[in-house]
Amino acid sequence: EEQLLESGGDLVLPGGSLRLSCAASGFTFSNYAMGWVRQAPGKGLNWVSTLSGSGGNIYYADSVKGRFTISRDNSKNTLFLQLNSLRAEDTAIYYCAKDISDTALVFDCWGQGTLVTVSS
Amino acid sequence: QSALTQPPSASGSPGQSVTISCTGTSRDVGNYDFVSWYQQHPGKAPKLMIYEVTKRPSGVPYRFSGSKSGNTASLTVSGLQADDEADYYCTSYAGNNNVLFGGGTKLTVL
Repeated sequence: EEQLLESGGDLVLPGGSLRLSCAASGFTFSNYAMGWVRQAPGKGLNWVSTLSGSGGNIYYADSVKGRFTISRDNSKNTLFLQLNSLRAEDTAIYYCAKDISDTALVFDCWGQGTLVTVSS
Repeated sequence: QSALTQPPSASGSPGQSVTISCTGTSRDVGNYDFVSWYQQHPGKAPKLMIYEVTKRPSGVPYRFSGSKSGNTASLTVSGLQADDEADYYCTSYAGNNNVLFGGGTKLTVL
């Protein structure tokens, strides 16, 4: 069974940093692109970033470009998201998601999410 | 780029059919056959229901179907069941390795 488990969410001050992790199991991790999608409290879903299986192709939403960095360790089946220069509007549940192929930007397996709160 | 436009709510009685629309532009929905739909129950992670406009992932009931005409995509749920009550989100590829989400539609089963 394909599973994703996020961790690393926390309360952080504006301007602060955080690193999210996503542990994957049940599929050949390196064969698939992986992404992050976030959902502000009571709001809709928004795509954040996607990284190809090999790590060679990286895509970001304009709202996070230059502040967030996606990466992966295929030897440990783990996806990461480094969040820097955090703002109040980055407050959200961050979901890790598996792409249906390599960078189709369609997600067929999701984690339960990790909450990031940016507040003073 | 703006989010795709969905009605905030939709409803239907058990056994009926309901259609949810998703309106974009000629730069996204109208230009690519890469529209997807996700179902999200309260407090749960989203679930992929439709991709590439009409394709259903394994395990998704035939009651869920997708279509597209011009800049508008649609999700139809036939034979409504109580468990279909959820939020539904459309997405579309928007070029330049970017994907847009709709604002979401809350489906109520009366």
